[in-house]
Amino acid sequence: AQSVAQPEDQVNVAEGNPLTVKCTYSVSGNPYLFWYVQYPNRGLQFLLKYITGDNLVKGSYGFEAEFNKSQTSFHLKKPSALVSDSALYFCAVSAPAETGRRALTFGSGTRLQVQP
Amino acid sequence: DAGVTQSPTHLIKTRGQQVTLRCSPKSGHDTVSWYQQALGQGPQFIFQYYEEEERQRGNFPDRFSGHQFPNYSSELNVNALLLGDSALYLCASSLESYQETQYFGPGTRLLVL
Repeated sequence: AQSVAQPEDQVNVAEGNPLTVKCTYSVSGNPYLFWYVQYPNRGLQFLLKYITGDNLVKGSYGFEAEFNKSQTSFHLKKPSALVSDSALYFCAVSAPAETGRRALTFGSGTRLQVQP
Repeated sequence: DAGVTQSPTHLIKTRGQQVTLRCSPKSGHDTVSWYQQALGQGPQFIFQYYEEEERQRGNFPDRFSGHQFPNYSSELNVNALLLGDSALYLCASSLESYQETQYFGPGTRLLVL
């Protein structure tokens, strides 16, 4: 079975500093990996995904993520944090196509707090 | 271009009742998935519909059922509501391919008293 771990419940960073939100996954084969962001009382907004190719994926709002197969990680990064980036971030994995399973499995979420 | 829409936004029910939640997918999308997000947790997959059939189901009891219509919109039905069914119910739409991104609606907040 596939799983996602987000080891940090909360990440605090000062505005203008770089941020990293960690994610590790467990799945057989080559996964599809996603990051979503959730603002209070809202649904999930798609940030970026890794399917294949370059290990560094660029997404919306200046976010990027680095896929590391050997460490089974997909950490979310941004060079300079904004107060408006404060939200709940979810990492998700989808099983390889050959499994026939299409469901997203989500981590428990990491709350990002950016201080002015 | 309208994104994924869901109705209603909020709902209050009592134990034992039945509820129907509705979802309209993003324009051009043909696949709809439903997720349950309990407070403080990540979303959990309920099921996915494609071509009006349930294609994959998560670990949810038969009290949870769904339907997809020819225009690709979808309904989620929950029977015999329990207190533990209180959650945010999220609908996501996508194209059929495995690689396609699932785009989420704003959700329906269900409170069971």
